[in-house]
Amino acid sequence: GENVEQHPSTLSVQEGDSAVIKCTYSDSASNYFPWYKQELGKGPQLIIDIRSNVGEKKDQRIAVTLNKTAKHFSLHITETQPEDSAVYFCAASKRNNDMRFGAGTRLTVKP
Amino acid sequence: DSGVTQTPKHLITATGQRVTLRCSPRSGDLSVYWYQQSLDQGLQFLIQYYNGEERAKGNILERFSAQQFPDLHSELNLSSLELGDSALYFCASSVGDGTSGRNSYNEQFFGPGTRLTVL
Repeated sequence: GENVEQHPSTLSVQEGDSAVIKCTYSDSASNYFPWYKQELGKGPQLIIDIRSNVGEKKDQRIAVTLNKTAKHFSLHITETQPEDSAVYFCAASKRNNDMRFGAGTRLTVKP
Repeated sequence: DSGVTQTPKHLITATGQRVTLRCSPRSGDLSVYWYQQSLDQGLQFLIQYYNGEERAKGNILERFSAQQFPDLHSELNLSSLELGDSALYFCASSVGDGTSGRNSYNEQFFGPGTRLTVL
């Protein structure tokens, strides 16, 4: 089945710097790649997603890139703010709905 | 607020017991997904229901079962509980079943979760 690996497990940046989180997947049939942000005591919140027919997608300070050949995708957050501090999860799924999540990255943005 | 609701927020019980977790999807969503989140296993997909029918199964134990009712709310039943079942249980919902047409992509929206503690 699908295996999603996520790096790094923890990331600390200074406010205003950029943060990059990378994920790789194993199943070439996966076609949907969402990113979720989870704050303490809350459920995961969908922040951006990308489909297999697109190479890059941007939404304000957040962007995601997908390299289907290499089977990896990345989350880029620019001009980080303290409120960006949270755990971020990548995921991959095929049409059978078996969504597999990465282990998560704890992002800390220092003011 | 995602629009997905879950009750109860916290549940404390003993080994061997049975509990029921409840989820109400976003208005208009027909699919409900259940996930388990533990420290050592991360987020694990358990099961999906679409419009009352089981649609996909993940790493769900035989001691666990779920159903989706005609009003589309869903319940996850956990029985013969063990210490290792202590975890956060999340419900998510999406518009379609994720397998065809415009709903072939799995935009899932998560509820706030139920924290289960088995003593």
